[in-house]
Amino acid sequence: DSGVTQTPKHLITATGQRVTLRCSPRSGDLSVYWYQQSLDQGLQFLIQYYNGEERAKGNILERFSAQQFPDLHSELNLSSLELGDSALYFCASSGGRPESKLFFGSGTQLSVL
Amino acid sequence: AQSVAQPEDQVNVAEGNPLTVKCTYSVSGNPYLFWYVQYPNRGLQFLLKYITGDNLVKGSYGFEAEFNKSQTSFHLKKPSALVSDSALYFCAVSYSGAGSYQLTFGKGTKLSVIP
Repeated sequence: DSGVTQTPKHLITATGQRVTLRCSPRSGDLSVYWYQQSLDQGLQFLIQYYNGEERAKGNILERFSAQQFPDLHSELNLSSLELGDSALYFCASSGGRPESKLFFGSGTQLSVL
Repeated sequence: AQSVAQPEDQVNVAEGNPLTVKCTYSVSGNPYLFWYVQYPNRGLQFLLKYITGDNLVKGSYGFEAEFNKSQTSFHLKKPSALVSDSALYFCAVSYSGAGSYQLTFGKGTKLSVIP
């Protein structure tokens, strides 16, 4: 068990809808990362937060947004969903330094129908 | 910018034989290199990392990796493969440059260990 909790584990929704994915980091970790995993794109970095502030941004679409709350949990909001957004979304946490190892949650499988 | 290449989508090896999963990287500063493993329906798990010092890094489950600065490589190795090693392996890189905190992953290599 990595100590990172992601909910829900599975999400099925329709095109055009909006969903929220939730992540609770490992105790003591200040940094949260979001990744998208799909068969064709591999593991794509979306965004990183450190102690409530955005620290790094990757290939995150404008339809997607995230935030980290004072209790350090994070939410990833996906809106105007398209079929191509179907993927496994991972949250990870760490101490926040470049040399820190990441602890991954078990992911949220999103299916857009 | 930083990038990672894993040139093999799949590696097949017989149980008991040595295995190598290849990784090359590109960064503009001193690299921090990682290997992670993903078992089916699971999140990624940390195997090992190179920060500085000895070029041979030992990690979990008998895996090791060799950092080669001149070849910008960080290949994952194990002397004797087990069927239970079958999984998806990811190489990742970050670096010590100012403002860089992004960990970039390769596309992954599927390792199949054949009994």
